[in-house]
Amino acid sequence: DAGVTQSPTHLIKTRGQHVTLRCSPISGHKSVSWYQQVLGQGPQFIFQYYEKEERGRGNFPDRFSARQFPNYSSELNVNALLLGDSALYLCASSPRGEQPQHFGDGTRLSIL
Amino acid sequence: AQSVTQPDIHITVSEGASLELRCNYSYGATPYLFWYVQSPGQGLQLLLKYFSGDTLVQGIKGFEAEFKRSQSSFNLRKPSVHWSDAAEYFCAVGEFTGANNLFFGTGTRLTVIP
Repeated sequence: DAGVTQSPTHLIKTRGQHVTLRCSPISGHKSVSWYQQVLGQGPQFIFQYYEKEERGRGNFPDRFSARQFPNYSSELNVNALLLGDSALYLCASSPRGEQPQHFGDGTRLSIL
Repeated sequence: AQSVTQPDIHITVSEGASLELRCNYSYGATPYLFWYVQSPGQGLQLLLKYFSGDTLVQGIKGFEAEFKRSQSSFNLRKPSVHWSDAAEYFCAVGEFTGANNLFFGTGTRLTVIP
């Protein structure tokens, strides 16, 4: 069975642009979470969605938004990109939002 | 507030030697604890988890961890390290109020020398 898949793998943007990252959970998983991992740090929680509803939000500005689709895939959107948004963005899924979560390989976002 | 401390930023061990990675947590209730491993350019792989019960938990790849409530610790151990164990290791504590998210430590980078 396929694991959590994320696209694109790498992305380069410039300051002020907008970006959309995509995540497909493991088949049968209805919950998706997003994490940001800045170089040299541990992942930091951004959002969790379950059954298309936002279940939780971390300490991130309103420039970050997300949604979950009827097929349980998810998008993370970041507006007005800043240099500090450069990071590995990880998506994780679980059947009902419980632990443990299963992580994808991430999208590496570089802001120039 | 929940937090995880991994005191060792970088550890170097010889292949075949034993390994212990330290993790201390701060959490108001009974914690759910995890160890993840991350190879360069990849996502996180779950090594083991502690939810309740036996405080010594076994994981994949020959790893184990011991939960010590009195010390607020959840140290990861392996009796004999292999070169393929070189990676970044993250300890995490789970929150189960609403968001059900994980709080991660800053990680320990393991280098294995032949």
